[in-house]
Amino acid sequence: AQKVTQAQTEISVVEKEDVTLDCVYETRDTTYYLFWYKQPPSGELVFLIRRNSFDEQNEISGRYSWNFQKSTSSFNFTITASQVVDSAVYFCALFTGGGNKLTFGTGTQLKVEL
Amino acid sequence: DAGVIQSPRHEVTEMGQEVTLRCKPISGHNSLFWYRQTMMRGLELLIYFNNNVPIDDSGMPEDRFSAKMPNASFSTLKIQPSEPRDSAVYFCASSSPGQGFNEQFFGPGTRLTVL
Repeated sequence: AQKVTQAQTEISVVEKEDVTLDCVYETRDTTYYLFWYKQPPSGELVFLIRRNSFDEQNEISGRYSWNFQKSTSSFNFTITASQVVDSAVYFCALFTGGGNKLTFGTGTQLKVEL
Repeated sequence: DAGVIQSPRHEVTEMGQEVTLRCKPISGHNSLFWYRQTMMRGLELLIYFNNNVPIDDSGMPEDRFSAKMPNASFSTLKIQPSEPRDSAVYFCASSSPGQGFNEQFFGPGTRLTVL
């Protein structure tokens, strides 16, 4: 069975602080894909990144960076110098061939205040 | 470049009425997914289609729910009869063909309220 755990329900930071959102996954498959999505207050789900299980390179995109560590089954997401516009719910998700569907975590509500 | 289009954006109906939600996937995408999002259960996959064929409908809660994809550019999710517990945001998503599993692009969602 596949499972994604986002233990942080809600995080509040002050603008310009760095923040890391945790994601821990469980699967017995050796081939799988990990995703992060952002859901701003407007409600839509915005794709941020996709990673496959054979690529453990960290990724940086502007203020966003992702740390994938198979040894700890984690795929953490860091926002550097957070901004108010980063306020949203962030979902981590896992796809495996065995499960054949995208399994979402419960999301982390990030609030960035002035 | 149009994304996934869903209609209506909001739907308020009374218990027992039929509700039809519509989705137009991104052109060229061959997989389409219907999700439901509630506070209690989070994001749940209801059903997905590959090349217009339903592949996995194990997430469809009951026989009151049905989904169709008559062609590559249109899908519907129907609830008949609707119940208050069906109130949720329903998302449609699509993904492109290719090796492995490609990212899904979501529509804006339909917020359904059943009174």
